[in-house]
Order: sequence, then C-alpha cells, then structure tokens
Amino acid sequence: AQSVTQPDIHITVSEGASLELRCNYSYGATPYLFWYVQSPGQGLQLLLKYFSGDTLVQGIKGFEAEFKRSQSSFNLRKPSVHWSDAAEYFCAVGVDTGFQKLVFGTGTRLLVSP
Amino acid sequence: DAGVIQSPRHEVTEMGQEVTLRCKPISGHNSLFWYRQTMMRGLELLIYFNNNVPIDDSGMPEDRFSAKMPNASFSTLKIQPSEPRDSAVYFCASSLRQGPAAKNIQYFGAGTRLSVL
Repeated sequence: AQSVTQPDIHITVSEGASLELRCNYSYGATPYLFWYVQSPGQGLQLLLKYFSGDTLVQGIKGFEAEFKRSQSSFNLRKPSVHWSDAAEYFCAVGVDTGFQKLVFGTGTRLLVSP
Repeated sequence: DAGVIQSPRHEVTEMGQEVTLRCKPISGHNSLFWYRQTMMRGLELLIYFNNNVPIDDSGMPEDRFSAKMPNASFSTLKIQPSEPRDSAVYFCASSLRQGPAAKNIQYFGAGTRLSVL
C-alpha cells in the first residue's frame, strides 16, 4: 500500500538558517510527489510538485525539493528561513485509483525562532 | 480567481444536531474532494466527485455523513446527527481532471473547523 512518512513531527529553526524537511514514500509505480504548506487557520497551499525529469524542483516562496528514487525520498529545503515560513508542511504522493488520491504524510510543524 | 470557498469557517454545535458544510469549487474545475483533518488520523479523503457525480465515498465514516453536489459550483457535506468525535477541520478541494489523474493539482479551501459539544 502507498504511504508517506514524515519522521519529524516538529522542527525549530532560527530565522535565516537553512531548513530541510524529510519525506519518504512507499509506492510501487512512478511517484507523483507534492509538498503542501498549511499556515495557521488556512487551507493547504501547493509549494511544489515532482512528476518526472530534473530531480531538483523549484517551488514558490523560495522552496525546493529533491527527488531521490534510490532513497525513496523527497526532502524539502530552503536556504534561509523567514518567520513567515512557520507553518505545517505536508508531503503527499498522488495515486491513480481512477482518480487522483493524495496520500498525505502526518505533517511536520515548523517553528521559527528569532 | 477566488479559489475554493468554504463556509462557514467555524461551526460550533451540540451533539445530535445537523451540520451542513458548504463548498464552492474553482470555476471550471470538474473534480471535488472532501477531506477531514484530525490530530489522530491526519488528512483523510472522505468523498470524491467527478462532474458532479460521487465516484468514491469509501472514506465516509458512517451513514451519518452524506455529501451532495447538485451542480458544478456547489457541494455540501452533511452530518446528521453530529457527535463529539466528528469534531475536526473539514476541507474541500477541487481540481481539473485532465491527463494522468495522479498528476492533477488539487486546490484546497481554507476549511471549516467543526466543534461538536
């Protein structure tokens, strides 16, 4: 069965420091991978996606993610975190079950310290 | 575009009452999803509509839950009767189904936070 693991429940990063959020997936076919961000009281916003091609994908708000098939990983990175990045981040794999079913990880809550 | 619009943003009700959550998808989108988010279970897909027709409702927890999509611009999720364990954030998402389904982009509303006392 498909699954997504985000091993870090909470991460605290100092403003201006670099960030890496981990995501591992389990899926037998070609994975279509997504990162969403949920700010407090808001819905989920798509940060970036990977379908094929270049394994390093760029997203909005200065985020990027690298797909590593050998490690079944799709880690999210940002070189310099801003206080406004404090939010919950969800990794997901898109599964074709006749329609797109998004299988989400449990999320990582990012706290940004001054 | 206004995005996916959900109402109300917050709902507080008493056990046994009927609750109706509303969703207006993005204009032109032909797929609509209802999700529930809880601390214990994370994000769960409840039901999926395509062209206003319910395609997969296997995630609907029990018969107390029902969803309708009378037209392309409106959907409701109803809980009757409500129970305290239904307390959660309910999200609606829409997408344009084209090409490989797994590559479609879902756009989420801001959610409805439901509290059942």
